[in-house]
Amino acid sequence: DAKTTQPPSMDCAEGRAANLPCNHSTISGNEYVYWYRQIHSQGPQYIIHGLKNNETNEMASLIITEDRKSSTLILPHATLRDTAVYYCIVKETSGSRLTFGEGTQLTVNP
Amino acid sequence: EAGVVQSPRYKIIEKKQPVAFWCNPISGHNTLYWYRQNLGQGPELLIRYENEEAVDDSQLPKDRFSAERLKGVDSTLKIQPAELGDSAVYLCASSLGLASYEQYFGPGTRLTVT
Repeated sequence: DAKTTQPPSMDCAEGRAANLPCNHSTISGNEYVYWYRQIHSQGPQYIIHGLKNNETNEMASLIITEDRKSSTLILPHATLRDTAVYYCIVKETSGSRLTFGEGTQLTVNP
Repeated sequence: EAGVVQSPRYKIIEKKQPVAFWCNPISGHNTLYWYRQNLGQGPELLIRYENEEAVDDSQLPKDRFSAERLKGVDSTLKIQPAELGDSAVYLCASSLGLASYEQYFGPGTRLTVT
């Protein structure tokens, strides 16, 4: 699976959009981009995934660049409950292994 | 619907003692995973089950770790004997199948070895 690079930490004001970047320059054609988050003392939680088109669900939007070498997770109106570590993961859909890096610690401030 | 259930939530043991963790996955989920998460790091996969069969245990330290999933439902992860370096959070996750895009994680068991 391709490796990802994320900033170690980010801050965001409550009510504003949080934009979390991820670089995955070695991604291959059959690999998807997944985002999970982990709130303190809880297990990771799936957020969204995509292949090459932008995706949106009730939690977030995922923007993938045309060359697929990077992506951005967007939380449109961050709340204090969105404070968590966000993991960007690249893997094949049929692959079994989620390979977590160290993620980005997002802190939403009041 | 209940999520993935793990017990105990916390465990403190002395080194060289045995310890076991239990996981009950979401009903109907055929695939079950055990992860270990060290402080400040992301989870890393220890073992994956497809029904009763362990199909990926390459990261499981087999000299002291063992796991089982009887009848393809509940699973137990055991460490014997525990070492100081085993202190971590042990997470269980489940999914409908290998091709399922979403893994559902339990709250984890925090193990402290003294």
